[in-house]
Amino acid sequence: KAGVTQTPRYLIKTRGQQVTLSCSPISGHRSVSWYQQTPGQGLQFLFEYFSETQRNKGNFPGRFSGRQFSNSRSEMNVSTLELGDSALYLCASSAGQGEEYSPLHFGNGTRLTVT
Amino acid sequence: SQKIEQNSEALNIQEGKTATLTCNYTNYSPAYLQWYRQDPGRGPVFLLLIRENEKEKRKERLKVTFDTTLKQSLFHITASQPADSATYLCALNRPGTYKYIFGTGTRLKVLA
Repeated sequence: KAGVTQTPRYLIKTRGQQVTLSCSPISGHRSVSWYQQTPGQGLQFLFEYFSETQRNKGNFPGRFSGRQFSNSRSEMNVSTLELGDSALYLCASSAGQGEEYSPLHFGNGTRLTVT
Repeated sequence: SQKIEQNSEALNIQEGKTATLTCNYTNYSPAYLQWYRQDPGRGPVFLLLIRENEKEKRKERLKVTFDTTLKQSLFHITASQPADSATYLCALNRPGTYKYIFGTGTRLKVLA
């Protein structure tokens, strides 16, 4: 089975621009989560989707948004980019009905640099 | 607020020794605790899960303990090898939250 695929791998954007990141989960996985990873804060939860419904959202400003499509693929969008948004954005999928104990399968992330 | 602390940013040990990593948490009652390994430039990879009613879990050279009274998990790698060098993350969650809270990780370096 193919793993979680995130595109693009690297992005360089300018302050004020917006960006869309894409995630294709493992086939059959319906739960998709997004995390932001920075050296200072570690992994911070952004949001989780299951069957196109957002079930939880982290403490991030409204500039961060996401969605999930009927094929379970997911996108996240960041508008009006700030320098502090520079980070590794990780997508993870999990199996089953989104059981709490299902481990997360991560992609290798999108490295976003905001200049 | 919920907080997870992992014992140190970096841990160096000699090959063949047992590495012990610590995960302490406050203001949280997790039902599940998981350990992940992350290599530079890659996403975390799941290693082990332990439930709140389990004291210990083993998988090959890995062992995890979970003490809900102390609010602590210990992660052991026995007979460590240079290939075990990576950052190890603990993660906690509870049913109905649909999110994991991650520790900041411990960077393990196994010296040959």
